[in-house]
Amino acid sequence: EVQLVESGGDVVQPGGSLRLSCAASGFTFDDYAMHWVRQRPGKRPEWVSLIAWDGGLKYYADSVKGRFTISRDNNKNFLYLHMNSLKDEDTALYYCAKDKNSGNYYFDSWGQGTLVTVSS
Amino acid sequence: DIQMTQSPSSVSASVGDRVTITCRASQDISRWLAWYQQKPGKAPQLLIYAASSLQSGVPSRFSGSGSGTEFTLTISNLQPEDFATYYCQRANSFPPLAFGGGTKVEI
Repeated sequence: EVQLVESGGDVVQPGGSLRLSCAASGFTFDDYAMHWVRQRPGKRPEWVSLIAWDGGLKYYADSVKGRFTISRDNNKNFLYLHMNSLKDEDTALYYCAKDKNSGNYYFDSWGQGTLVTVSS
Repeated sequence: DIQMTQSPSSVSASVGDRVTITCRASQDISRWLAWYQQKPGKAPQLLIYAASSLQSGVPSRFSGSGSGTEFTLTISNLQPEDFATYYCQRANSFPPLAFGGGTKVEI
């Protein structure tokens, strides 16, 4: 059974930094691209970032480009999101999601999410 | 960016009903569309991908259709556990990967 467990969410001041982690199990981690998706309360999900299976390709939403960095450790089966220069609008529940690997980008497994609150 | 618009934003239904939700793309996205179900306090769950392919483990009362710019999700014989919010998501013209605004199915 696929399991994704996020951690690292916290309350942080504007301009601060945070690192989110996602522990993956139940599948061959380095066979799959992985994503971060966030969701503000009562709003639609918002895709944040993608990393290819080998970490060779990384993509970001315009809203986080230059501030967030996605990475992965295929030896430890972990996905990370390094978040810098945090803004109020980054407040959200952050999910890691497994890509379906079907040629296009669908999210076929999700974690339970970790909450990031940016507030002074 | 290609925008995704869902309608209606909410629908009232009863157990046993047939419910249809529409998702429109601002440009042709072929069949690169997914549908997700989200219950309160839970992560979204993939139901349909590639417009009409049923994700493993999803009941057959869920079906998807469409191509180009207009897509539908149909729930036949609505069950109590189907009351939730449904989102469409386009999977092409990446990045970004955009979701629709959601449709809440309620009693």
